[in-house]
Amino acid sequence: EDQVTQSPEALRLQEGESSSLNCSYTVSGLRGLFWYRQDPGKGPEFLFTLYSAGEEKEKERLKATLTKKESFLHITAPKPEDSATYLCAVQAGSARQLTFGSGTQLTVLP
Amino acid sequence: EAGVAQSPRYKIIEKRQSVAFWCNPISGHATLYWYQQILGQGPKLLIQFQNNGVVDDSQLPKDRFSAERLKGVDSTLKIQPAKLEDSAVYLCASSLMLLNTEAFFGQGTRLTVV
Repeated sequence: EDQVTQSPEALRLQEGESSSLNCSYTVSGLRGLFWYRQDPGKGPEFLFTLYSAGEEKEKERLKATLTKKESFLHITAPKPEDSATYLCAVQAGSARQLTFGSGTQLTVLP
Repeated sequence: EAGVAQSPRYKIIEKRQSVAFWCNPISGHATLYWYQQILGQGPKLLIQFQNNGVVDDSQLPKDRFSAERLKGVDSTLKIQPAKLEDSAVYLCASSLMLLNTEAFFGQGTRLTVV
């Protein structure tokens, strides 16, 4: 069974204080790893897809990286508007579903 | 481009009552998902359609939950009878293809069972 574990569960940062969120996975045959952002009362919003170890994607202050066992979402000089829950999901093997982790709730204080 | 539309946004029902949710995916998206998200947890897949066929419903509580996607476009998810533990946000998502493409989510329906 595919497993996705995200850490930490919650993270509080000061504005400008860079940090990383972790997503570790146990799957057979990774097809893709997806990062989403979810604001309160809204559905998840797509950020990145990573397909193979060593791949990196960037968008504004966010950078996602992938290894064979985990993915990191690096947040550089965050702003209060980056506060949200960040979810990762995997699509693996013959399974065609997206399996989500429980998310990291990020709070950026001004 | 219009996003995934869901209705209603909120629903409060008593236990043992029935409820239905509606989803209209992004035009041209063949794959449609229904997820259940309990407060503080990640979304959990209930059922996945490819066009109007079911791809995966292994986590759907079939004794009380049902879903259909007529004509491969709109979809409805029904709960009958509802239990207190069904209180959650029900998210609909769609993607262009079955694999290797990102899913786009609607705003969800928040269900409270009292």
